[in-house]
Amino acid sequence: DVKVTQSSRYLVKRTGEKVFLECVQDMDHENMFWYRQDPGLGLRLIYFSYDVKMKEKGDIPEGYSVSREKKERFSLILESASTNQTSMYLCASSLLERTKNIQYFGAGTRLSVL
Amino acid sequence: AQSVTQLGSHVSVSEGALVLLRCNYSSSVPPYLFWYVQYPNQGLQLLLKYTSAATLVKGINGFEAEFKKSETSFHLTKPSAHMSDAAEYFCAVSGEDSSYKLIFGSGTRLLVRP
Repeated sequence: DVKVTQSSRYLVKRTGEKVFLECVQDMDHENMFWYRQDPGLGLRLIYFSYDVKMKEKGDIPEGYSVSREKKERFSLILESASTNQTSMYLCASSLLERTKNIQYFGAGTRLSVL
Repeated sequence: AQSVTQLGSHVSVSEGALVLLRCNYSSSVPPYLFWYVQYPNQGLQLLLKYTSAATLVKGINGFEAEFKKSETSFHLTKPSAHMSDAAEYFCAVSGEDSSYKLIFGSGTRLLVRP
């Protein structure tokens, strides 16, 4: 089974802190994604990466950055956390090929910024 | 641009009743379509996918969906609801501009009454 592991289930941070959310997948997937989930808005793509050190902005990249130094690990960084970044964050991974484009999700990190 | 519309943010059914969750999409290319389920405090799990083979797709837990090109729909059904089906359901379409991205609907929360 594919496993996508997010390092924290719950995080509480203060405004202005630098926040790191970590995600690791164990299936050698090329693609990795970070989403934000808010009630009534579904999942919105923040960033994705299709290879090591490669990244592309998603729909809502403002206030976020990412890092992918190794194929299995994709980190989401909030440079200076703000209260409007309080949300559920979901990491996912998938193979590169479109016909096999099933995204596998981690359990999520619920971030509260106070 | 592609989009997914899920009609009804909440659907309530009695145990044993038919489940029908609606999804309409827009896409200028032949779409790949997905239904995911999210149980409380968990990540998303794939229920089923359509990738241009049979128009009636069977998934896990007794769910199925029918692709109707003329109606641009991909509604999810289950003949008989079980209490364990209570969850949030997301419809998604594969992105036009990239083979990797998914565009998600806003989700439908299914409530099952005893």
